[in-house]
Amino acid sequence: GAVVSQHPSRVICKSGTSVKIECRSLDFQATTMFWYRQFPKQSLMLMATSNEGSKATYEQGVEKDKFLINHASLTLSTLTVTSAHPEDSSFYICSARSGLRYSYNSPLHFGNGTRLTVT
Amino acid sequence: QKEVEQDPGPLSVPEGAIVSLNCTYSNSAFQYFMWYRQYSRKGPELLMYTYSSGNKEDGRFTAQVDKSSKYISLFIRDSQPSDSATYLCAMEQNSGGSNYKLTFGKGTLLTVNP
Repeated sequence: GAVVSQHPSRVICKSGTSVKIECRSLDFQATTMFWYRQFPKQSLMLMATSNEGSKATYEQGVEKDKFLINHASLTLSTLTVTSAHPEDSSFYICSARSGLRYSYNSPLHFGNGTRLTVT
Repeated sequence: QKEVEQDPGPLSVPEGAIVSLNCTYSNSAFQYFMWYRQYSRKGPELLMYTYSSGNKEDGRFTAQVDKSSKYISLFIRDSQPSDSATYLCAMEQNSGGSNYKLTFGKGTLLTVNP
């Protein structure tokens, strides 16, 4: 079945540094990928929609200059947390559809997430 | 009122019990309804999805949607310790063109005790 791979699974960085998270669709092409953020015991909150070859669409309240998204190919999207601060510590999860639109053949697949800790 | 309401639990049941998980929603534009299972420190895994009112069964899992009441349920029969996880309901609406926006509930933490 369709698999989304996310790397790294865990990262610890110092305040002020930048962190890049990769999301790859392993056996399908994804024109659209989604980046979510999840705090402990909270639901997933959509941060942005990553579109291959064009600019990402950010949700209200998400700083596009802080969370840089690059979707350079049909199988790779990256999220860079720039000048990270302790309040950016969270669980970041990417997802992708295997089809162009939602149907029984194109469900949303999630990566295993990246736990970011900023010290 | 939040778009999707889900009781966070926690819910603890003995092995073999029937589990009922529920969500309510207020946005009548939601067209697709899903249940995801999330183990600790992992990404969500799609369990069930449907777009119409009624029941859909897959093994020990049954998803139920009542659009008139804006209420969805997930039933787990013969629950197993391996079913212990957080269960998230999710609903999707068309946000323009071919774009669809997914909204999650908070998730219900389920523990099945052997």
